[in-house]
Formats: sequence, C-alpha cells, structure tokens
Amino acid sequence: GENVEQHPSTLSVQEGDSAVIKCTYSDSASNYFPWYKQELGKRPQLIIDIRSNVGEKKDQRIAVTLNKTAKHFSLHITETQPEDSAVYFCAASKGNQGGKLIFGQGTELSVKP
Amino acid sequence: KAGVTQTPRYLIKTRGQQVTLSCSPISGHRSVSWYQQTPGQGLQFLFEYFSETQRNKGNFPGRFSGRQFSNSRSEMNVSTLELGDSALYLCASSFLDSGSDTQYFGPGTRLTVL
Repeated sequence: GENVEQHPSTLSVQEGDSAVIKCTYSDSASNYFPWYKQELGKRPQLIIDIRSNVGEKKDQRIAVTLNKTAKHFSLHITETQPEDSAVYFCAASKGNQGGKLIFGQGTELSVKP
Repeated sequence: KAGVTQTPRYLIKTRGQQVTLSCSPISGHRSVSWYQQTPGQGLQFLFEYFSETQRNKGNFPGRFSGRQFSNSRSEMNVSTLELGDSALYLCASSFLDSGSDTQYFGPGTRLTVL
C-alpha cells in the first residue's frame, strides 16, 4: 500500500549548522511532495513543496530535492536558527487521489543556541 | 482571507458517545480533507470531500463518517467513541480539484475520550 518513511525521527543540531531530513515513498504514481512544519500546539504549516517534474526547489534557507528513480525526497535547512525547532513532516500524494496526503512519521528538530 | 477554522477546539467525551466536529475552509476552497494526529500513529488520512461528495477514504472503521455542505463547510462524526479515538483531528482545505494542490490546515480539535 501507500507508505512514506521518514528519517531520522529526532535530529539535534547546533545553531548555524545544516539539517537534512529524508523521506522515501512507495507509490511510484505520487507526484506531489509537500513539507510541513508543526510547532508545539500549532497547526501544520506548509514550508515548501515540490512536484514530480522538478528535481530541486529552494526558498531562502530551505531546499527540497526529489529523486523519482529512487523514490525519495529530502529537506535541507541551512544556517539553522532556534526558531527552526519544530516537528517536520514530509508527505506525498498523487493527482488522481485528490486531497489525500500520506505523511511520514515526523522528525523532531532541535536547534541548540 | 481568513484561514481554515475548526470548532470546537477542545472536546471531552466518554466511551460510547458520539461527537461531531466542524471545519470551515478558506473561502473559495472546495476540497476539505480530514486527518487524525496521534503521538503513536502520526498524521493519518481519514477522508476527503469535494463538492459535497466523498472523493477519497482512508483506512478507518465505519464509525468515522463525514459530510460536506454546499458552502464547502464540512463535518466529521465519530460514533460509539473508543479510548483510542483520543487525538487531534485536523482538517485541511485546498482550492483546485487536484492532488497536487496545497492543503492549508486548521488549528485542529483536540478530542479526549474518557
């Protein structure tokens, strides 16, 4: 069935370091891959997304890469700041499944000052 | 534009009762999806409604149901509540009828079943 695996489950970095979170999806028909950030007690917020016709996308300190052949995608955060501390979720969906996102298990990122 | 809103924000029920949660999407959005978030299982898809029709359904028992009204507002209902139904229930809305469109989440309803 559809599945998204996310690693690591926890990640601790020093302020200013880079953080990388990796996800692997099982359904080769998946074509949309968003990343959400969820702070404690808050709603998930979209931080970046990528579609299957693109290999990489950047937005300031955040970038996402997609390898369709290997069926994996990654989130890269550079120059981390304490306010980046949160739980990050990757997700995947396919065009014929409407608004059905399959989420990874989440990565708790801690940025230490 | 106002964001996605959900009511109530918190709810306490006892086993065997039923509950109805409400979600108001962003104006103009026609798709509403529901998710259950728990520490153990993460974010799991419940179902999606588009133009008052259920378009997708996740792997949850029939006790979980939903509907969508002509103004795109959606409700989900859980009957015969079990302890394991305690969770944060999130809804998300999107504009286009495509799986490749951004979903915006509401703040969630925290359901506690005693």
